[in-house]
Amino acid sequence: AQKVTQAQTEISVVEKEDVTLDCVYETRDTTYYLFWYKQPPSGELVFLIRRNSFDEQNEISGRYSWNFQKSTSSFNFTITASQVVDSAVYFCALSESGAGSYQLTFGKGTKLSVIP
Amino acid sequence: DAGVIQSPRHEVTEMGQEVTLRCKPISGHNSLFWYRQTMMRGLELLIYFNNNVPIDDSGMPEDRFSAKMPNASFSTLKIQPSEPRDSAVYFCASSKWALNTEAFFGQGTRLTVV
Repeated sequence: AQKVTQAQTEISVVEKEDVTLDCVYETRDTTYYLFWYKQPPSGELVFLIRRNSFDEQNEISGRYSWNFQKSTSSFNFTITASQVVDSAVYFCALSESGAGSYQLTFGKGTKLSVIP
Repeated sequence: DAGVIQSPRHEVTEMGQEVTLRCKPISGHNSLFWYRQTMMRGLELLIYFNNNVPIDDSGMPEDRFSAKMPNASFSTLKIQPSEPRDSAVYFCASSKWALNTEAFFGQGTRLTVV
């Protein structure tokens, strides 16, 4: 069965510091998809990125970057020069191929606090 | 383009009462999901609809929970009778296709059963 582990429950950083949020996943499938979502204090879940298992290139979007490493089953998320607006709970999620491919399995989330 | 719209945003009800949560998915999306978020269990899928048809309701906790999708632009999640342990944030999400695509979430309904 699939599983997503976000070992960091809470992280606090001072504004402008870089921060990396860890995500480790387990799956038996060779084809799968990984996601990151942001949940700000207002409560909604905001989609950030989707990556398939065949694409191990790192992704950069502004201050956000993602490092996908199949060898360690990790899909880590780095925020460069953090800002107060980055304060949120961040969720990593996994979907497998096959019959259950519509289902997102979420990690428990990492609460990031950026202190001004 | 409007996102997923859920109502109400907050609901406080007494144990034993019926609760109905509502969702309007993004226009053109064929798949709709209901998730529940609690501190203990995190985000859990309750039910999944594809083209208005329930495909997987294995996550619905018990018979007190029911969900309908009478048309492509509306879905409801009903709890009858409600219990304090149903207190949670309920999210509706939609996606263009069912398989391995990102789901877009509504703002959630925070339900408190007293």
